[in-house]
Amino acid sequence: GENVEQHPSTLSVQEGDSAVIKCTYSDSASNYFPWYKQELGKGPQLIIDIRSNVGEKKDQRIAVTLNKTAKHFSLHITETQPEDSAVYFCAGVYNFNKFYFGSGTKLNVKP
Amino acid sequence: DGGITQSPKYLFRKEGQNVTLSCEQNLNHDAMYWYRQDPGQGLRLIYYSQIVNDFQKGDIAEGYSVSREKKESFPLTVTSAQKNPTAFYLCASRTDGNQPQHFGDGTRLSIL
Repeated sequence: GENVEQHPSTLSVQEGDSAVIKCTYSDSASNYFPWYKQELGKGPQLIIDIRSNVGEKKDQRIAVTLNKTAKHFSLHITETQPEDSAVYFCAGVYNFNKFYFGSGTKLNVKP
Repeated sequence: DGGITQSPKYLFRKEGQNVTLSCEQNLNHDAMYWYRQDPGQGLRLIYYSQIVNDFQKGDIAEGYSVSREKKESFPLTVTSAQKNPTAFYLCASRTDGNQPQHFGDGTRLSIL
């Protein structure tokens, strides 16, 4: 099956700086890559996703890039704000149904 | 508002007891999922169902059971065979095609 590795496990940035979280996947058949934000005591919320026929996608301060050859994808958050502090999860979707999640990145944005 | 409702938010289990976690969705989604989340780890798939009256084991199904008698409901039973049940349990659903999963706000299960 698929294996998704996520780095770093924790990330601390100053407010206004950028944050980058990286994920690698093992199965070249994976073709959908969502990113989720999870706040304490809540379920994960989708923040952005990308399909394998696209190399980059942006939504305001958030962007995701995908390199199919290297089998890795990254989340970029620019102009970070304290409310961006949360745990972020990447996922690789295999066989159109099974989601394989990374182990999560705890982002701390210091005011 | 459409969404996924998990209940209860907190649940305590005694030794040797089965407990059932509820998951209801009004999104008209066909597929539903149960995940277990432990500190410092990602989400691990317990069971999933793509259609009513059908479900498949995920990566960590031992000690758990599910049913899917209605499209909107996918309850998870944590049996006494699950020796380490303390975790945060998340239910999710999605529609057909390559679409994202939508999550409930979870149930935290602890051992008394």
